[in-house]
Amino acid sequence: QVQLVQSGAEVKKPGASVRVSCKASGYTFPGYDINWVRQATGQGLEWMGWMTPSSGNTGYAQKFQGRVTLTRNTSMSTAYMELSSLRSDDTAVYYCARGHVRLDAFDIWGQGTVVTVSS
Amino acid sequence: DIQMTQSPSSLSASVGDRVTITCRASQYISSYLNWYQQKPGKAPKLLIFAASSLQSGVPSRFSGSGSGTDFTLTISSLQPEDFTTYYCQQSYTTPWTFGQGTKVEIK
Repeated sequence: QVQLVQSGAEVKKPGASVRVSCKASGYTFPGYDINWVRQATGQGLEWMGWMTPSSGNTGYAQKFQGRVTLTRNTSMSTAYMELSSLRSDDTAVYYCARGHVRLDAFDIWGQGTVVTVSS
Repeated sequence: DIQMTQSPSSLSASVGDRVTITCRASQYISSYLNWYQQKPGKAPKLLIFAASSLQSGVPSRFSGSGSGTDFTLTISSLQPEDFTTYYCQQSYTTPWTFGQGTKVEIK
């Protein structure tokens, strides 16, 4: 079945970086954008950026410009989100989500990765 | 950035009730409006895309309407599994933005 499976929980210290992976299966990985959305505990959804796996093109929310990097390994059908200079307010669940061009919506989501930033 | 404002932030209802949630965009977004359902500890699930199109597999008690700046999500007859949180999201222009969420609680 079509799914996105993310890497496991991370605990990081302030100032460090974290990389979260998102492995796609059940569909043609290059054919759909991968977006990243985060959610702090008890809060709403915040879009961080997108990547087009076929080209590697990316776009980032201004809030995260310079701190987030989206990459991919097409041979492994895996997308990556790296967030640097972590702060305590980066503690959140990070989701990858497939962007469906025809629907103009996020139709498949990963299960989420908890990132905790604590000294 | 386009701001998405949902109302109410929470509501109490009973099984079988008809419920309507409103989402307003800070500027024109045509019909580029999606609705998601999120249950505690789970990823969001796409319910409605393009303002009024039902995603495959979603029960027909869910419906969406609106265009321009004002949109609604309606649940025609609340079921026990529907008591959770709903988000709207605009896909008109980046940065894609979400509403703050509406929590549907049991009365």
